[in-house]
Amino acid sequence: GAVVSQHPSRVICKSGTSVKIECRSLDFQATTMFWYRQFPKQSLMLMATSNEGSKATYEQGVEKDKFLINHASLTLSTLTVTSAHPEDSSFYICSARMTSGPSYYEQYFGPGTRLTVT
Amino acid sequence: EDQVTQSPEALRLQEGESSSLNCSYTVSGLRGLFWYRQDPGKGPEFLFTLYSAGEEKEKERLKATLTKKESFLHITAPKPEDSATYLCAVLKSSDKLIFGTGTRLQVFP
Repeated sequence: GAVVSQHPSRVICKSGTSVKIECRSLDFQATTMFWYRQFPKQSLMLMATSNEGSKATYEQGVEKDKFLINHASLTLSTLTVTSAHPEDSSFYICSARMTSGPSYYEQYFGPGTRLTVT
Repeated sequence: EDQVTQSPEALRLQEGESSSLNCSYTVSGLRGLFWYRQDPGKGPEFLFTLYSAGEEKEKERLKATLTKKESFLHITAPKPEDSATYLCAVLKSSDKLIFGTGTRLQVFP
């Protein structure tokens, strides 16, 4: 149980284009999803917290107009990187948290999306 | 300032050689501590949650313990398939996870 998928797993795009990444909780409902990015040999940095039906909360230093997050349902959140630049190249990982129960605080992670902007 | 520090950064073990990984933290509003395993190019895989000092949890060759200032992940008789990066993360009362930089474990046959 507690499986989270991401699509695509890998994407290469040209500078100036936009890329959408999907995050789905496959076997549970997630009121809250989180988006992280991870640079090589570094740890995960939280970018934003996404709540179903409401606006995402962004961490300090993360441009909300550049990283658009939509949490349209209890099983789907999307991250759109707009006007991507090479410095946006990174490993993007989402996580989902159950809506209730003893595992409420546990975050389950997707497999990640490797974004390369050329 | 909130801080999560893991040591050592890297650890090389012979198969069967038990050891411990450390996660020390300075965090206001601690709600819990999590251990994850991450393989290269993959997302973190959930291992344990610890909520209070003195708590212990076990899973196969892994055992996690928690004190008021640190947590240990003990690996007993590791196998090559245990090779991965082990991440600890502290859950704040704001529901945010703060990750340490991880310990890269290599287990050689």
